[in-house]
This record gives sequence, structure tokens and C-alpha cells, in this order.
Amino acid sequence: EVQLVQSGAEVKKPGESLKISCKGSGYSFTSYWIGWVRQMPGKGLEWMGIIYPGDSDTRYSPSFQGQVTISADKSISTAYLQWSSLKASDTAMYYCARLIAATSGMDVWGQGTTVTVSS
Amino acid sequence: SYVLTQPPSVSVAPGKTARITCGGNNIGSKSVHWYQQKPGQAPVLVIYYDSDRPSGIPERFSGSNSGNTATLTISRVEAGDEADYYCQVWDSSSDHQGVFGGGTKLTVL
Repeated sequence: EVQLVQSGAEVKKPGESLKISCKGSGYSFTSYWIGWVRQMPGKGLEWMGIIYPGDSDTRYSPSFQGQVTISADKSISTAYLQWSSLKASDTAMYYCARLIAATSGMDVWGQGTTVTVSS
Repeated sequence: SYVLTQPPSVSVAPGKTARITCGGNNIGSKSVHWYQQKPGQAPVLVIYYDSDRPSGIPERFSGSNSGNTATLTISRVEAGDEADYYCQVWDSSSDHQGVFGGGTKLTVL
């Protein structure tokens, strides 16, 4: 079964760092792009960026460039999303998803990771 | 950047047909993908490349795309179809990124 399994919920304080993960299984992890999507409470989906685990080619949406870092470790079939200094406005659900093709839609989604940033 | 416009809400009676639109400048020249998201769950792909259905998605779900509007059509609507629906395209013009519409809440009366 093709699946993406994300790390668990996080509660952090403003200014703290964080790295969440997304582990793929059941398919060739290095052959598909992985994307990250933000969903703030009660809001819609926002495209953050994508990474190709085969060579770590990474592309960010302009709104998220410089705000987060997307990375991958192909040896353990895992993609990451990290922050160096969290803000309260980073409170959201974050999903990883597999892209059908490089410039396409997302056919397999992780279960989501809730990030809460509060003092 | 490319903008996708969806109606905030659509209501339909059970057994009827629901049509959810996604507007964008010359969207007919792009491939459109549709997602269903039920409360507390991750999105699920229901239509890709305008009109293809992933395995496991009922034939009641169909898609079309032409001109400035893409449409997700749900025939013989069931109570279980009540959810938020999002369209998505790839913006290859300037940002080279995916773009989501604002989402449409489908209510089954």
C-alpha cells in the first residue's frame, strides 16, 4: 500500500525551532515529488513547496520562501519541513502529499501534522 | 500569480446533481485537479487532469474544463458527499508552483 505517514502533533513556543517529517512507503520514494500544504484553522489549502527526493531539487512558493526549509533524506524515504523560529501565525495543520508528476496534482496524502505555536 | 475562484458554498438535495466551478484566466489551457476534504480528514484526490478519476472514486464524480471555467460534477449526490472541495492547477507562468482555489463547501440538504 502506498502511504505517507507524518510525525505527531507539536506544541511549541514562539521563537523555537521545529522539524516535522513525512515517511513514504509502498513506492519508489526517489521517483516522485513530495509537496507540503498548509491549512490554517478554518481556512483553505495553501501550497508551500515541493521537493524531489531523488536529487533534493526544491522549489518554494513565493509566500513561503525564506520562511521554511524543505528537505529530504532518501536513505530513509523521509521528507521534512522545518522552521528556525516559529511564530504564532505558523499554527496550522501541515500535510505532505505525493505529486502525480512534477507539475501536477497530489494523489497520496499524509494524515497531517498539527503545529500549535503559543506562549 | 495565478488566481482560482470558487463559490464559497453550493447546496444540493440528495439524488440531484451538484456542480462546483473553478474560475481562472484561460484555465482551459491548464490541467485541473480536484480534492475532497471532509471535516478532520486529509484531502482526497477525486479528479485529476481535468476529468480522470483515481481508482476507488465513484463514477458519480466527473470533471470538465474549458475556457475560463473548470467544473466538478457530482451526480446522484449522497449525504456522504458533503465536504469541502478544492480545485488546483500548476502555475507555470511566474511562480512555477501549485495553486489552490479557495474551496467550496458542499451542503447536502
